[in-house]
Amino acid sequence: DIQMTQSPSSLSASVGDRVTITCRASQSISTYLNWYQQKPGQAPTILIYAVSSLQSGVPSRFSGSGSGTEFTLTISSLQPEDFATYFCQQCYSPPRTFGQGTKVEIK
Amino acid sequence: QVQLVQSGAEVKKPGASVKVSCEASGYTFVSYAINWVRQAPGQGLEWMGWISIYNAKTKYAQKFQGRVTMTTDTSTSTAYMELRSLRSDDTAVYYCVRERGGTTSDWFDPWGPGTLVTVSS
Repeated sequence: DIQMTQSPSSLSASVGDRVTITCRASQSISTYLNWYQQKPGQAPTILIYAVSSLQSGVPSRFSGSGSGTEFTLTISSLQPEDFATYFCQQCYSPPRTFGQGTKVEIK
Repeated sequence: QVQLVQSGAEVKKPGASVKVSCEASGYTFVSYAINWVRQAPGQGLEWMGWISIYNAKTKYAQKFQGRVTMTTDTSTSTAYMELRSLRSDDTAVYYCVRERGGTTSDWFDPWGPGTLVTVSS
């Protein structure tokens, strides 16, 4: 199975901060890397698919980059509605594993 | 709009089975696979398996092999996930998710609202 490791597991940031979350795959997954956002009590929603493609309706302050085994989610200017947990996921091969999540909290 | 509606919360005793339903609307049901993902309280996301609506082909995570069955009813655009021999650590929110695909990745969108399954004696 492909293991997905996110870092950090949590972070505290202020509104307006630039935030970066890293996801590392245990083997190359090409461009089969997605990012999801989950708010408390809600189902996850897709933010970015195929490393860097922004889902329709997602603000442009979100961006993704990377290739092979190392990937990054960046929020350029953190907004109040962005405080949530973020998960990366590989869809390169089954099982379609997720990272353990990064909780973004208010400083 | 594309929507997945799941069945209501369940409370089961250890050793019992649970069957969660997921009714799709707003798109051509047979054109997209459905995945099932679960999330234990305060924990991360765990992929359980996948079913092709087109040909009913399934792929289950090794962890659930022999204990899970995913099926569909195309006449009602509904997918089902049955989990047997329930244990306390099966307590979780179970999500159905439509799988979308492109040339450079597949991804999950949308997610159903989730069904809480509580296993307790």
